[in-house]
Amino acid sequence: DAGITQSPRHKVTETGTPVTLRCHQTENHRYMYWYRQDPGHGLRLIHYSYGVKDTDKGEVSDGYSVSRSKTEDFLLTLESATSSQTSVYFCAISESKQVTYGYTFGSGTRLTVV
Amino acid sequence: QKEVEQDPGPLSVPEGAIVSLNCTYSNSAFQYFMWYRQYSRKGPELLMYTYSSGNKEDGRFTAQVDKSSKYISLFIRDSQPSDSATYLCAMSARIIQGAQKLVFGQGTRLTINP
Repeated sequence: DAGITQSPRHKVTETGTPVTLRCHQTENHRYMYWYRQDPGHGLRLIHYSYGVKDTDKGEVSDGYSVSRSKTEDFLLTLESATSSQTSVYFCAISESKQVTYGYTFGSGTRLTVV
Repeated sequence: QKEVEQDPGPLSVPEGAIVSLNCTYSNSAFQYFMWYRQYSRKGPELLMYTYSSGNKEDGRFTAQVDKSSKYISLFIRDSQPSDSATYLCAMSARIIQGAQKLVFGQGTRLTINP
């Protein structure tokens, strides 16, 4: 996806270990979001950022933290991974306060916690 | 109860058929209504968005919103095998600092058979 990359693309980790996922954008967009996608639940918002060092919780934030020290990078950390956090994680960016242009999503990170 | 409800399908139709995808919602504060298309192992991409009640057409796709019934639809005419994907409805709601979050339906998996 042009302008937004997620890393890693796949990861398998053990229960109890910390994990950090990275979202990098080259669009200089103000707003960045982390979603998780699970069967039967669709996409659910974990955390979002409205500027450097400005972040807030979404609807499923327990067990996750985020940081944004630069406009282009938004990190999602699983403090101590659990099997319930096995999911596909998507980062998204938006260019304005309105969503008429929609979000641009990354290609996702497939995380498996064993 | 979920804010946005979408029948997950799967839905399988022959090539050339008219496809109807639907979502209902409960939050009257939703402002924009969107449809995303997601191919396997990819991030969602914006297909269409609407703001007001009524119809919006883009090629073979028509998005319909009925705010009084809290119901939105996506119609695909002359469906093609390349339309096979998961279709997610999404609705925007205001959050902090002018940002808007998207609330997604579960997604409907659609297959168009040649």
